Amino acid sequence: NAGVTQTPKFQVLKTGQSMTLQCAQDMNHNSMYWYRQDPGMGLRLIYYSASEGTTDKGEVPNGYNVSRLNKREFSLRLESAAPSQTSVYFCASRKLEGQAFYSPLHFGNGTRLTVT
Amino acid sequence: AQSVTQPDIHITVSEGASLELRCNYSYGATPYLFWYVQSPGQGLQLLLKYFSGDTLVQGIKGFEAEFKRSQSSFNLRKPSVHWSDAAEYFCAIKLSFGAGTTVTVRA
Repeated sequence: NAGVTQTPKFQVLKTGQSMTLQCAQDMNHNSMYWYRQDPGMGLRLIYYSASEGTTDKGEVPNGYNVSRLNKREFSLRLESAAPSQTSVYFCASRKLEGQAFYSPLHFGNGTRLTVT
Repeated sequence: AQSVTQPDIHITVSEGASLELRCNYSYGATPYLFWYVQSPGQGLQLLLKYFSGDTLVQGIKGFEAEFKRSQSSFNLRKPSVHWSDAAEYFCAIKLSFGAGTTVTVRA
């Protein structure tokens, strides 16, 4: 039972390079999320997908794009990386039903990204 | 908009001692509150959640939290900490997270 799987685990980019962070979940969850974690700032929501076929901006979407490829997969793309995007990125999922915010998030183990 | 504040950035506690982590929230309606724990190099794991009903909530690993509407608080407690409780703890309301509290356990 893998849960939420993120690839890669580590990545170093040069300023201006692009890359895609991959996320897949095998829990049949309908909602998926991308967060970034920075020291002293907790986790901040970048983008989310409440259900297959929909995506919405979170708190810090600038510089990022997302794709909900299917129910299982939700990718995050950095088109032109900047040093300010150096962070740890977490993908999460949850089953959205009934009282929408009652269900907790299930997290992957993160991708540590450094932009030089 | 909802938000949470965790006033303590870092707490050091002796093994076997009690632990209390503070969380204050700001939200006008019924809050959906969570505590998560993050071990080094790992993702976050749910400890417990509160939506309604009994204001004292039991979670995994021996943790509990008490919801106090009058104080807008949802503090996390554990009566006796173990070295394995050293981690970072996050309070969350809906999808918004606090800045986290790092717990160090000394022998």
